[in-house]
Amino acid sequence: NAGVTQTPKFQVLKTGQSMTLQCAQDMNHEYMSWYRQDPGMGLRLIHYSVGAGITDQGEVPNGYNVSRSTTEDFPLRLLSAAPSQTSVYFCASSYSQGEAFFGQGTRLTVV
Amino acid sequence: GQQLNQSPQSMFIQEGEDVSMNCTSSSIFNTWLWYKQDPGEGPVLLIALYKAGELTSNGRLTAQFGITRKDSFLNISASIPSDVGIYFCAPRRVTGANNLFFGTGTRLTVIP
Repeated sequence: NAGVTQTPKFQVLKTGQSMTLQCAQDMNHEYMSWYRQDPGMGLRLIHYSVGAGITDQGEVPNGYNVSRSTTEDFPLRLLSAAPSQTSVYFCASSYSQGEAFFGQGTRLTVV
Repeated sequence: GQQLNQSPQSMFIQEGEDVSMNCTSSSIFNTWLWYKQDPGEGPVLLIALYKAGELTSNGRLTAQFGITRKDSFLNISASIPSDVGIYFCAPRRVTGANNLFFGTGTRLTVIP
């Protein structure tokens, strides 16, 4: 039982490049979400999904896309990376009313 | 948006001392979770609170869900060096998609 697995752990992008951050969970949780963590700002919700085929925007969705084709996977796509997207990204999963379990994070630098 | 105030922002304490931190909001929540984040890791759940007034302990940690449903506190007794990290409150709102909101964190340093 691996929990929530994020890949890659580190990534450097050039401005304008696109990439996908991967997130997978093996706990059969219906609820998955993506957060970004910036110094002094806690974790802010980017996008979330309440089940396969259903996604919605969080607090800071601009510049990111998500899809949820399976219960297990919830990739986050950066369409055209900008320096403002330099951050640490966390994926989390939970049952709808339960505790959220987090991955180890992806540290992204956009130059 | 949600207003969630976590304090203090940072604490420097001597090993063995007790620690107290809290979160307050102008909004009502139906769940309060407390997480700890070690350097380079994702947040890990410490305590979950589901009822107003609930007081829950987990070893040296004690947390309470405020009776107004707008606040919560976390206490750590007899701190040890491995308590070092960032502590976050994360309440879940009453309606909608039950998203978690995170406080800005309390950075704890324990001096041996």
